Amino acid sequence: QVQLQESGPGLVKPSETLSLTCAVSGYSISSGYYWGWIRQPPGKGLEWIGSIYHSGSTYYNPSLKSRVTISVDTSKNQFSLKLSSVTAADTAVYYCARSRWGYMDVWGKGTTVTVSS
Amino acid sequence: DIQMTQSPSTLSASVGDRVTITCRASQSISSWLAWYQQKPGKAPKLLIYKASSLESGVPSRFSGSGSGTEFTLTISSLQPDDFATYYCQQYNSYLRTFGQGTKVEIK
Repeated sequence: QVQLQESGPGLVKPSETLSLTCAVSGYSISSGYYWGWIRQPPGKGLEWIGSIYHSGSTYYNPSLKSRVTISVDTSKNQFSLKLSSVTAADTAVYYCARSRWGYMDVWGKGTTVTVSS
Repeated sequence: DIQMTQSPSTLSASVGDRVTITCRASQSISSWLAWYQQKPGKAPKLLIYKASSLESGVPSRFSGSGSGTEFTLTISSLQPDDFATYYCQQYNSYLRTFGQGTKVEIK
């Protein structure tokens, strides 16, 4: 069965870069589908950050596009998120997910990232 | 951006009730709509895709309908496990957007 697991620092200082990785098991990223990141600030709703195909083709939320980079490493069967110049507004639970034709059918458990000095 | 608006924001219901949640899109999204269930501290779970297709393993008491700009999620007989927050999400546009969520509470 397909499983996704996020990893990365739980605490990031303001103005620094948030870096997360999503390890995929039970399915080869190279086989297809898009792979994406979604976040949820404390007590709030879901915000789509962006997605990547195994070829490296990406698309991002325009509201974050200037600060976001999503990359894929097919040899490790994982993909990553980098969000630069973070502020307290970037504090959230970050989820990685498989995007099956645009909707997310498999999600990681999520990882909490707090932006604070 | 396509804005997704859910109503109500909160819904109080009892076990056995029929529950309906509405999601409206700011422009037509054909049937490119998904519904998710989220419980506190957990990741969202896909329930419905393409407006009315039930995801494998999801109980048949969940159903979805609609097209264009208006959609509904119906729970035919609310069960204790169904108290949660529900989100709609459009994927007509490359910029995926979610509704603000509907919390289903115990009455």
